[in-house]
Amino acid sequence: GAGVSQSPSNKVTEKGKDVELRCDPISGHTALYWYRQSLGQGLEFLIYFQGNSAPDKSGLPSDRFSAERTGGSVSTLTIQRTQQEDSAVYLCASSLVTGGNSPLHFGNGTRLTVT
Amino acid sequence: KNEVEQSPQNLTAQEGEFITINCSYSVGISALHWLQQHPGGGIVSLFMLSSGKKKHGRLIATINIQEKHSSLHITASHPRDSAVYICAVNHFGNEKLTFGTGTRLTIIP
Repeated sequence: GAGVSQSPSNKVTEKGKDVELRCDPISGHTALYWYRQSLGQGLEFLIYFQGNSAPDKSGLPSDRFSAERTGGSVSTLTIQRTQQEDSAVYLCASSLVTGGNSPLHFGNGTRLTVT
Repeated sequence: KNEVEQSPQNLTAQEGEFITINCSYSVGISALHWLQQHPGGGIVSLFMLSSGKKKHGRLIATINIQEKHSSLHITASHPRDSAVYICAVNHFGNEKLTFGTGTRLTIIP
């Protein structure tokens, strides 16, 4: 059964390096979301995609963060010049449609540690 | 102040007890989600609702739109129900979820 797949599951990187996180949503899901969960903190929204377009990027913490989605499928979240405060679990979710009208399916997340 | 408030923050109960977790929100919503997160694990969507009540196995979720309040109930609780339960809402015209801080539930055998 194909759920939402994220890779890598763990990533340790040095401060200042760039990282790419990948999300493979459930086939046919038009909506894709990126969230972040910092240690001891709640979940926060980063960005969502409707197809390949990103109508809401308001949650991206800084211009070091960017994301793209191609072919209405795979999405990558890129963090440039990583900082220690970027350390968190990055979660991807997909749903059949947007508008809060269909359940979310979450991946297992990528745990990013910036040393 | 978080727009989505959950209570209690922590709950410990004996196996078999009836569990209630509450969620209140301050602004009108299009949908409310209950999510479950096991330690070190991913997040599972339990319910998505915009009115009334939904039931799945031992889990029941209710929502009162007028009072801006939702509850998640677990009947005949079991140690495997131990997890963090998170309430999240979609505000009207807004795709992003606003999350509560979660309720950590521990069921003791």
